[in-house]
Amino acid sequence: GAGVSQTPSNKVTEKGKYVELRCDPISGHTALYWYRQSLGQGPEFLIYFQGTGAADDSGLPNDRFFAVRPEGSVSTLKIQRTERGDSAVYLCASSYRRSTEAFFGQGTRLTVV
Amino acid sequence: AQKVTQAQTEISVVEKEDVTLDCVYETRDTTYYLFWYKQPPSGELVFLIRRNSFDEQNEISGRYSWNFQKSTSSFNFTITASQVVDSAVYFCALSESSIDQTGANNLFFGTGTRLTVIP
Repeated sequence: GAGVSQTPSNKVTEKGKYVELRCDPISGHTALYWYRQSLGQGPEFLIYFQGTGAADDSGLPNDRFFAVRPEGSVSTLKIQRTERGDSAVYLCASSYRRSTEAFFGQGTRLTVV
Repeated sequence: AQKVTQAQTEISVVEKEDVTLDCVYETRDTTYYLFWYKQPPSGELVFLIRRNSFDEQNEISGRYSWNFQKSTSSFNFTITASQVVDSAVYFCALSESSIDQTGANNLFFGTGTRLTVIP
């Protein structure tokens, strides 16, 4: 596609449930990032992939959060045992290389009730 | 540690006025990158500019201009002759150089400035 695509655009889940958020990067982009944006805040870095491997996962808040990118393209962010504090917009970005500009998707708004 | 401060939470201007959005940063690195992104109501972050720490030359792109001053650790953004379509949240971000010097690391964002342009 022309841009970074994220699905679903909105997700409402109950506390304690498991959720998966999907990101389709721009074709040919090897670098992929996940960010989390809480209301009224700037995005916060979660994890960075170079190809299939997670090169930097220092932003993941705890072990309930996990992300994969098995074929070096689509990535899935997985959250186990969701908590109300996980409610936020989850943004995905991709770039051609790590040192080039990152292009963001429109995000997935996650609401945990 | 890195930090980005956007002291202006919200700004309102009347259409055609000029407006400057402030950004002050902190970093211990000598090599770093500064960015501005626009986030319209649709939610998608739109890249506006990237500037590396060795290039202090100001830049102009149409109605947009950026003033980078290392002496004051500031990277301010000015919109000339503002338009209603400029209404959005604007984020300043910092990226420190990677250990292997291959390029920009992950972005650290400020809290954003919400700009409203009144027709």
